[in-house]
Parts: sequence; C-alpha cells; structure tokens
Amino acid sequence: DTGVSQDPRHKITKRGQNVTFRCDPISEHNRLYWYRQTLGQGPEFLTYFQNEAQLEKSRLLSDRFSAERPKGSFSTLEIQRTEQGDSAMYLCASSPTTGGGTEAFFGQGTRLTVV
Amino acid sequence: QQQVKQSPQSLIVQKGGISIINCAYENTAFDYFPWYQQFPGKGPALLIAIRPDVSEKKEGRFTISFNKSAKQFSLHIMDSQPGDSATYFCAAVFGNEKLTFGTGTRLTIIP
Repeated sequence: DTGVSQDPRHKITKRGQNVTFRCDPISEHNRLYWYRQTLGQGPEFLTYFQNEAQLEKSRLLSDRFSAERPKGSFSTLEIQRTEQGDSAMYLCASSPTTGGGTEAFFGQGTRLTVV
Repeated sequence: QQQVKQSPQSLIVQKGGISIINCAYENTAFDYFPWYQQFPGKGPALLIAIRPDVSEKKEGRFTISFNKSAKQFSLHIMDSQPGDSATYFCAAVFGNEKLTFGTGTRLTIIP
C-alpha cells in the first residue's frame, strides 16, 4: 500500500495524559499536512511541513500541541496534557510540491477519545 | 471564521436522480476549489476540482459549476447511485497551500 499511513487508528486516553500520533506520507511527496476533524464538521487545518520545515501553524494549534518532521519523511503530532476537547479525528495528508493542498491525499486518520 | 459555507447539511436523493450540493466562499484570493468524498472511517478523497477561470468541469457523472461573480460553486452528481452515499466536502485553496473545508453534506441515495 503506497498511500498515506497513520498510526494508531484509534486511541483512548485519560485526561491529562500525553499522546503521540505518527503519519507516513506518500514517499515522493514533499508536503505534509495535519488536520483535525470533529463530528459533523469539515477538517480544520492545524499545520504543514515542506520537507522538514514547518511552514505554518494554525491558531488551533495551542502550546500543548507539537508537530515534527525530523528528516522530511514521517511526521509525529504530540498532544500534551490532553483535554476532553481534544477528542477528534486527526488526519494527515501529503502532496507533491507543485500540487500543494490542491492534490492532497489523506490517510485514514487517528481517532482520539479523551475520557 | 467560516470562509466556506456549504449547504444542505444532509440530502436524500432517489437512485437515478440528480444530487446537488452548494458552496459559497468569501475570500476572493482563493484560486482552486476541490470537492472531497468521505466514507465512514476513511479519510477524505479528492473527487473533482476546478479553477475560477472555468465555469464548469465535468468528470463522468460529477460536474462542478462555478460562478465567480457570485462567489458560489456547486457539485452535481448525475444518475446518483447507492454507492455515492457518503459525506461530501467542498473546499477552497489559496496559493497551493492549505485546504479550507466546508461543513459537509451527508448524502443518502435511496432505492
């Protein structure tokens, strides 16, 4: 399977715990995006990388959130001190530089439940 | 601030009918308008997209109509099939960067 891969698919955690998600993009794609989707809503942009450089962060990305893409390949999204409001589907997408967000391919997402 | 408004929230269409979903945007700097299809438990998948210099684009049973002066665009699904039952999102992009999504339309095709 050469699509975007996300791990884990589901995560249940207690409030206050830290969680980390991983995204493996399509191998030749330079850009990697993180989105958050809550029930009944469209995905909302969190942040994106061009290779290893983080180029933009949304105001949704509070200081409890941190994303990395250390070698320009896979990326991790960490949420510290989770809150119930963090419960959502976290989606990763990748695209070639020329296509940018217009040709983004999404993974299946990580569903986070904070109890 | 919601920059892309989508309607209706849900839609029921008989098999063989035409499904129509509408979107409106505010930011005139947007220069690319894709539609995504999402099935339960899956990530969104690109369906069809249009640039504002074109008023219509057709791919198979899917057509985007674009009205630049009204800042509106719509998705038409002809001969709707049960397999088209999914949630559809319109989106807008500025400068080949991030997607700004609408709130989604849950489409159900009934026999």
